[in-house]
Amino acid sequence: EAGVAQSPRYKIIEKRQSVAFWCNPISGHATLYWYQQILGQGPKLLIQFQNNGVVDDSQLPKDRFSAERLKGVDSTLKIQPAKLEDSAVYLCASSLGAGLNTGELFFGEGSRLTVL
Amino acid sequence: DQQVKQNSPSLSVQEGRISILNCDYTNSMFDYFLWYKKYPAEGPTFLISISSIKDKNEDGRFTVFLNKSAKHLSLHIVPSQPGDSAVYFCAVHTNAGKSTFGDGTTLTVKP
Repeated sequence: EAGVAQSPRYKIIEKRQSVAFWCNPISGHATLYWYQQILGQGPKLLIQFQNNGVVDDSQLPKDRFSAERLKGVDSTLKIQPAKLEDSAVYLCASSLGAGLNTGELFFGEGSRLTVL
Repeated sequence: DQQVKQNSPSLSVQEGRISILNCDYTNSMFDYFLWYKKYPAEGPTFLISISSIKDKNEDGRFTVFLNKSAKHLSLHIVPSQPGDSAVYFCAVHTNAGKSTFGDGTTLTVKP
């Protein structure tokens, strides 16, 4: 079974530039998450989708971050304009769906962003 | 307000001995409690979980204990192996599908 795919693996940009990350979840997984992991910290939820609807985006800095999940499959996360504090690993995860499992999330390898 | 706390940033143990990783949480609304393992340059991978209605779950060398009255979760690894060296995250999960993670404990198992 193919895992969660993310791209790009690494990205270096200057502040005020824009960047986009892509995620393809495990086939059949209804729930998709984007997490931000800053060095030395645990993953922090940015946004959670159930199929193509947003379940929770309370921690998403909406003035600069946006995310979409068209057709309930792939998702993109965009940052525009980027700030120095956005330097982090952006993790995409998927799961079967709320109430359908024991909470296990399947993570991609992450996209490491460096903002100079 | 951090809902999940792992108070030990690092832990070092000798191969063959027991590793005990700890986690505290701040409210009682969670349905599942999980441990994930993370190697450098990889995403976290699921290790073991426990339902809120249980107090112990065992899978091979890994055992998770849940003390609901103390709001405390622990992971025991016996015997520890050098390949267990990684960052371990505890997480709490609701049936609404939300997972919240601690900041991790780096485990080093010395040969």
